[in-house]
Amino acid sequence: KAGVTQTPRYLIKTRGQQVTLSCSPISGHRSVSWYQQTPGQGLQFLFEYFSETQRNKGNFPGRFSGRQFSNSRSEMNVSTLELGDSALYLCASTKAGQAIHEQFFGPGTRLTVL
Amino acid sequence: TQLLEQSPQFLSIQEGENLTVYCNSSSVFSSLQWYRQEPGEGPVLLVTVVTGGEVKKLKRLTFQFGDARKDSSLHITAAQPGDTGLYLCAGRPTSGTYKYIFGTGTRLKVLA
Repeated sequence: KAGVTQTPRYLIKTRGQQVTLSCSPISGHRSVSWYQQTPGQGLQFLFEYFSETQRNKGNFPGRFSGRQFSNSRSEMNVSTLELGDSALYLCASTKAGQAIHEQFFGPGTRLTVL
Repeated sequence: TQLLEQSPQFLSIQEGENLTVYCNSSSVFSSLQWYRQEPGEGPVLLVTVVTGGEVKKLKRLTFQFGDARKDSSLHITAAQPGDTGLYLCAGRPTSGTYKYIFGTGTRLKVLA
């Protein structure tokens, strides 16, 4: 079955712009989590959505937001981009209801802010 | 703030050597996962351990969860160039949240 897909794979923006990233989870998976990965900070949790509701949120400013649609696809938005937002953004899907929460990651979207 | 420290940060070894990567925290986790990430790709789940003292083997990889569920180790026997990658541990806090805390990562390079 198809894995987690993320679009676009690469994105270049300038400071002050906004960006929307998309994630399609594995079929049947209802939970989607977003992470930011940078060389200096590693992998940091942004937020998690389940059944169109944000269930958990990390320590990121309000410029970072997300949503989930009824088909479980998720988008994240970053407004007023800053140079420090340059990173690999990963989404992970999980089949809800499992005793062990196993995350399956997509290939990521590499965002460069100039 | 819950932190997961991994050591070493970088490791370069010859093919055939053994190695151990450590993942340590002062916090207790309900479960701990290990991932491997290759350039241009997302992390791939290798194993999940949930019971203190648990040992799991995946071919040449041996994973152990500490008795107190605060630490874990990954041992690779007879490393191969295909083992090259970024190894990440991730702990799920006992509070029941689905928010995973990822470790700082160990970048392994196995030379042929």
